[in-house]
Amino acid sequence: AQSVTQLDSHVSVSEGTPVLLRCNYSSSYSPSLFWYVQHPNKGLQLLLKYTSAATLVKGINGFEAEFKKSETSFHLTKPSAHMSDAAEYFCVVSSSSYGGSQGNLIFGKGTKLSVKP
Amino acid sequence: DSGVTQTPKHLITATGQRVTLRCSPRSGDLSVYWYQQSLDQGLQFLIQYYNGEERAKGNILERFSAQQFPDLHSELNLSSLELGDSALYFCASSARTGGSNSPLHFGNGTRLTVT
Repeated sequence: AQSVTQLDSHVSVSEGTPVLLRCNYSSSYSPSLFWYVQHPNKGLQLLLKYTSAATLVKGINGFEAEFKKSETSFHLTKPSAHMSDAAEYFCVVSSSSYGGSQGNLIFGKGTKLSVKP
Repeated sequence: DSGVTQTPKHLITATGQRVTLRCSPRSGDLSVYWYQQSLDQGLQFLIQYYNGEERAKGNILERFSAQQFPDLHSELNLSSLELGDSALYFCASSARTGGSNSPLHFGNGTRLTVT
C-alpha cells in the first residue's frame, strides 16, 4: 500500500532564507510523486511532479524536489523564500490501483509554511 | 486559473437541509473528483467520476451523493446536513482516470457552513 508522511506540520522561515519541506513516502513500486500548494481560500495548485524521468524535479516559482529512492524521500526546497510563498504544501503519491478508496492520489496532511519579513 | 469552476463559492444553511454543489471541469477533462477539507480531518477524497461513471469511492457518507452529467459537469448533493459537514469542498478534474501524466486541477472550492 502507498502512503506519504509530511514530517513537519508547520515550518517558519525568514524571507530570503532557504525553505525545506520534508516528505517521506512508502510504495511497493516506483511511484509518481507530486507537490501541491494551497494558498488561503484557494484550491490546490500543482507545483511539480516526479515521474521517474529525472530525480531532481524543477517546479514553478523556484521550487524543486529531489527523489531519493534509498531514503524514500521527496523533499521540497527553495533557495530563497518570498513572502508570497506562505501557504500550505501537500506531498502526494499516486495510488497503485485505480478505483481505490483514496482515489488515484494519496495526500499527506500538509505543511504550513510561514515566511517572516 | 485552473479552469475548474465551482459554484457557489459560499453556502450557509441550517442543519437538516440539503444542498447541491456544482463543478465544471477543465475543458476536455473527463475525470471529476470531489474532496472535503476540514481542519480536523484534513483533505479527504470523497468520490471520482470518469466520463459519467463512478470510478472510485472514498470516505463519502451515505447522506452524500454525486453524479456526472453528459456534458461532464458534476454535482455533489449533501442532505440531512449536520454541523460537522461544515467544510471546504473541492472539485478537481483530470484528463484521464489518473496517473502521473494526468495531474489533478483543482477549483477554488465551495465553503459550506452549517448552522
